[in-house]
Amino acid sequence: DTGVSQNPRHKITKRGQNVTFRCDPISEHNRLYWYRQTLGQGPEFLTYFQNEAQLEKSRLLSDRFSAERPKGSFSTLEIQRTEQGDSAMYLCASSSNPPNEKLFFGSGTQLSVL
Amino acid sequence: KQEVTQIPAALSVPEGENLVLNCSFTDSAIYNLQWFRQDPGKGLTSLLLIQSSQREQTSGRLNASLDKSSGRSTLYIAASQPGDSATYLCAVESYNTDKLIFGTGTRLQVFP
Repeated sequence: DTGVSQNPRHKITKRGQNVTFRCDPISEHNRLYWYRQTLGQGPEFLTYFQNEAQLEKSRLLSDRFSAERPKGSFSTLEIQRTEQGDSAMYLCASSSNPPNEKLFFGSGTQLSVL
Repeated sequence: KQEVTQIPAALSVPEGENLVLNCSFTDSAIYNLQWFRQDPGKGLTSLLLIQSSQREQTSGRLNASLDKSSGRSTLYIAASQPGDSATYLCAVESYNTDKLIFGTGTRLQVFP
């Protein structure tokens, strides 16, 4: 297994457009997380899945954001009607069942909203 | 609400120095504390995980300690090298949550 994979690596879009990111976790991992990171800050939690069930969503996740993990494998994060404030690195991570399991991160998707 | 703080925010040292990065957290009810490394524009790489029942973990030139009662952890890097230049982030997994809360990181530069 090559680890957590995220696509695309970079996305430039105009304000108001919709974007979708994909994450492929490590195959045997049940847990999948989405985080957002802006320059000079640590990652901020957005949401996570246990298999296909979305168990928690941060208050940071407005109605314009939606995440899915339809078959408990890959996940998608969609942002509708993007705003300049959405510009950030979107990180996906996966792990086995917690607690005390290491989190493995993908390389992230860098979103720039013009 | 758990809050994680890292000091210093940035550090620049000559090659070969031993150095200490600090992390503090406000709620001691944690399962574990983890240290990560992040290179510019990249994702995070897990370095060390210390469970709440443990005092320290070691991996090569890295040693992380945990004092849960005082809400502190340190990452010790021995004989630093230019390849250690990166941002180091600590994160805690608290009771009754299933997510990591991160600090803002320490940006380390090791110059030859």
